Amino acid sequence: EIVLTQSPGTLSLSPGEGATLSCRASQSISRNYLAWYQQKPGQAPRLLIYGVSSRATGIPDRFSGSGSGTDFTLTISRLEPEDFAVYYCQQYDSSPQTFGQGTKLEI
Amino acid sequence: EVQLLESGGGLVQPGGSLSLACGASGFTLNTYAMIWVRQAPGKGLEWVSAIGAGAVSTFYADSVKGRFTISRDISQNTLYLQMNNLRAEDTAVYYCARVGDRGGWYWGYWGQGTLVTVSS
Repeated sequence: EIVLTQSPGTLSLSPGEGATLSCRASQSISRNYLAWYQQKPGQAPRLLIYGVSSRATGIPDRFSGSGSGTDFTLTISRLEPEDFAVYYCQQYDSSPQTFGQGTKLEI
Repeated sequence: EVQLLESGGGLVQPGGSLSLACGASGFTLNTYAMIWVRQAPGKGLEWVSAIGAGAVSTFYADSVKGRFTISRDISQNTLYLQMNNLRAEDTAVYYCARVGDRGGWYWGYWGQGTLVTVSS
């Protein structure tokens, strides 16, 4: 199975700053089947990005995804207070689909 | 509007059984892949079980294989997770989710979750 390693584990930033979250796969994700989710305390995960770079419905354009092969990035420009949460990547290129361990974005 | 509502969580003793339900509305359950994902307290997301469209194929994480069974009732538009021989490490919030609207098994729609606590 493909193991996804997210870094950093915790990212401390301030509103207005930009954030770069990394997701590295143990094997190449050949069909660009990588998604990102946001989860706030006490809430279910919410889909942000699918297919590496496609934003889900209603997701602000300050969220963007990029990458290929084994290295993927979620970029959040101009952090808003509501963006502080935990972010997970997920690959669905290879069965079983797997999640990364998460990156906590804190103020 | 797509909505998912889990139910059935609760406190159960080790070795016991529990059945979770995920009621779906706004779409026909049988035409989409579905997944159960769990999250232990303070931990990350772990996929538990998935079922393909038409219930042709089912998948289980190694940690639950042989103990959990995923199924769906088309007439009730409801997804189920039968959990047997529960262990303390099965304690988690269990979410059901539906595949997104584009290709591939990414999870575009999530329920609010139901808490399962396995403890004596």
